[in-house]
Amino acid sequence: QQPVQSPQAVILREGEDAVINCSSSKALYSVHWYRQKHGEAPVFLMILLKGGEQKGHEKISASFNEKKQQSSLYLTASQLSYSGTYFCGTGGPRDDKIIFGKGTRLHILP
Amino acid sequence: DVKVTQSSRYLVKRTGEKVFLECVQDMDHENMFWYRQDPGLGLRLIYFSYDVKMKEKGDIPEGYSVSREKKERFSLILESASTNQTSMYLCASRTSGRAYEQYFGPGTRLTVT
Repeated sequence: QQPVQSPQAVILREGEDAVINCSSSKALYSVHWYRQKHGEAPVFLMILLKGGEQKGHEKISASFNEKKQQSSLYLTASQLSYSGTYFCGTGGPRDDKIIFGKGTRLHILP
Repeated sequence: DVKVTQSSRYLVKRTGEKVFLECVQDMDHENMFWYRQDPGLGLRLIYFSYDVKMKEKGDIPEGYSVSREKKERFSLILESASTNQTSMYLCASRTSGRAYEQYFGPGTRLTVT
């Protein structure tokens, strides 16, 4: 089952902050965040693992709440280059496959 | 520089044709994936492979099959293409293990007429 992302879309002005949420009906073992710009392949942003380990870009932050089966991606002081569609993906105990959500479209205005 | 390549960026096929989408990765990754991307539906997993000749169904395997004869190559096969299979198809690969990122190919835009 696909994780649920919210909001579906958001429009911000440059410099504003954004939070994108991801929730799962199943226990989370890992959460993966990707960004896709129009016409391009999704690109890795961050991995969060059960137990607290994180791996990703320094300028991106995220949280992982195992009990609530949720993760949030925090984009602070947004730049025009942050525009795109953000996908969260969840991994199960076997971790072999990642199931992605429907995405959140983020548009940054100058 | 890591690379996942797909055989075509754009493909137009007729209903009923057998269609092959090829994906090659040069990173010696164990895991390879095929996703389908449609507006409003996100990335949906069709099939994945965790080793040569090994495969598992994803969420939407109906109408598709896969082949992985060599570690670097993963093929998606539409046995008899239908118009509802018109979509963007993305291949990805990843090292086995929970803490590794997935690399995506550029995608193949398939149109079935």
